[in-house]
Amino acid sequence: KQEVTQIPAALSVPEGENLVLNCSFTDSAIYNLQWFRQDPGKGLTSLLLIQSSQREQTSGRLNASLDKSSGRSTLYIAASQPGDSATYLCAVFDRGSTLGRLYFGRGTQLTVWP
Amino acid sequence: DAGVIQSPRHEVTEMGQEVTLRCKPISGHNSLFWYRQTMMRGLELLIYFNNNVPIDDSGMPEDRFSAKMPNASFSTLKIQPSEPRDSAVYFCASTFQGRNTIYFGEGSWLTVV
Repeated sequence: KQEVTQIPAALSVPEGENLVLNCSFTDSAIYNLQWFRQDPGKGLTSLLLIQSSQREQTSGRLNASLDKSSGRSTLYIAASQPGDSATYLCAVFDRGSTLGRLYFGRGTQLTVWP
Repeated sequence: DAGVIQSPRHEVTEMGQEVTLRCKPISGHNSLFWYRQTMMRGLELLIYFNNNVPIDDSGMPEDRFSAKMPNASFSTLKIQPSEPRDSAVYFCASTFQGRNTIYFGEGSWLTVV
């Protein structure tokens, strides 16, 4: 069974720092990997989707990389801002089941203070 | 598009009562997911529909839980009878063809007392 792990579980940094959030998965047979953001009391918002054939995706200050062979992904946040404070979750679509199944990590809770 | 719409947003009910959660997926999406989120277990997939047909219901915890998708624009998740351990946030999500960007609703916050 696919297992997704995110490190660190929590991170607190001052505004302006560049950040790296880590995600690892145990089975490299995936269709894609997605990074989500969840604000308190809200649903999940998709940030970036990386197909299994891709190495990275960028959106604004966010850059996500994927190394499928080693089972790792990183989310890089440049010049962090207090508005980036949220929980960030990664999820993989697994090839092992019919039509795929999305497996989530437990998330990294990010706090950016001014 | 209005996004994935869930109702009710919040529900407090007594143990033993029936609870029905509702979801309207994004128009044109043919894959629908029901997830449950708790502090202890994180996000868990309960059931996954594709083209209105349940594909994977291995996450449904027990017979008290049931889900239906009578048409492409509506799904329900029912708990009967409800128990305090069912207290959680229940999310509905949808996508096209199951493996593209997935869109979540705002969740239904259930408290069973």
